[in-house]
Order: sequence, then structure tokens, then C-alpha cells
Amino acid sequence: DAGITQSPRHKVTETGTPVTLRCHQTENHRYMYWYRQDPGHGLRLIHYSYGVKDTDKGEVSDGYSVSRSKTEDFLLTLESATSSQTSVYFCAISRDGGTEAFFGQGTRLTVV
Amino acid sequence: GENVEQHPSTLSVQEGDSAVIKCTYSDSASNYFPWYKQELGKGPQLIIDIRSNVGEKKDQRIAVTLNKTAKHFSLHITETQPEDSAVYFCAASKNGGFKTIFGAGTRLFVKA
Repeated sequence: DAGITQSPRHKVTETGTPVTLRCHQTENHRYMYWYRQDPGHGLRLIHYSYGVKDTDKGEVSDGYSVSRSKTEDFLLTLESATSSQTSVYFCAISRDGGTEAFFGQGTRLTVV
Repeated sequence: GENVEQHPSTLSVQEGDSAVIKCTYSDSASNYFPWYKQELGKGPQLIIDIRSNVGEKKDQRIAVTLNKTAKHFSLHITETQPEDSAVYFCAASKNGGFKTIFGAGTRLFVKA
């Protein structure tokens, strides 16, 4: 398995609180991604990074921000969590754009 | 932007039968088409991929076909086994591109 660790694996938080999810990789891949998975929608891209401090928005970026200060870490922050952000969040990495992506185990986030 | 549609959303087959999942994409510039399998509680894993310069690719019981003109690609699983039961995602992206767009997923049930 590719060396990708997501933390935490499960989290319950209250509406309006900030939440940060962490993705850590040991593969030295350049590209890192955050997806959310919801029934009927598959995997939707939130943000991605193509290098340290180089990030861009995906399909569903509203309400989320990201940071990448080191090659191995990609953080996803919900500034003020809402119930619509209840989802399973997956981090993925790839060596190059348009190549195989390796996924983490996912983080189940519940906003109550 | 790219849009990927996947059908059916649920597929139930008898063990030993074949299963076919179909996807269409909208961006004619897409040239990389991976298929991922997601087992319960895990992140998606690549099972096969195809690039636009190839019409068909096979790996044991799994094959993928691509029709660039019609913007269709399909996953074929022959001699299905209970362990093939999972959610399958098709996706499309471009070489050098950062965004991989996923279909909504197909839940495959293989009945013993």
C-alpha cells in the first residue's frame, strides 16, 4: 500500500467549529488531492496541490481551504463546519497529473 | 469542464456471469481513463486504466474498452466472483492535468 495516512479517521464536531484534516505521505509524490465522497455523487475534488505552497480549487471548494507547507503534508480546513460538510473525506496522491492516484483510508466527518 | 456519467448505479449478477459498467465523458481532450475499486471501509484502488491511444486493454478477468469517437469507455469483468463485490468508479483526466473527474460509482453485487 502507498504510504498515505489520514488523521483523524473519525470525527464528530459541532456546527460552526473549525476542523482540520491531515494527510501525510511518505512517497514523495508531487500531487496531493482532497476528495469528498457522498452517496450518488462519487468522489468530488475539493482542492489539490501540485507542489509545496501550490494549491488550486476543485469542483466543490466553497467552505474549504488547504495548505501545503511540506511535500509530505496536505491539510484540509473547514473554517466553520456546516451539516452539509458531513461526508467521508479522502486524500489522494499521484506522481504526475493524469496518472494513477493512490488513496488514503478516508476520514468520516460528522457535523452535528 | 469535464463531466463523467456512469451506469448502472447498482448491478447484481450471479457468480460466474459477466458484469459490464459503462461511462461517458464530455471533454474530448481527456486521454487517461482509470477504473477504481472500493471495498467497504477502504479507499479506492486502481484496478485497470487505459490511455486514449489504445482501444482495449485486458488484465486477467478484467478488460476496459474505449471509444474515443463516442466518448464512451466500459469495464468488463468476466467469471465474476463474490470478492468482486464492491463499488467501482470510472474516471477521466488529461496527461499533465491535475483534475481527475470521477463517475458516481456502480455498486456491484456478485451472488454466490
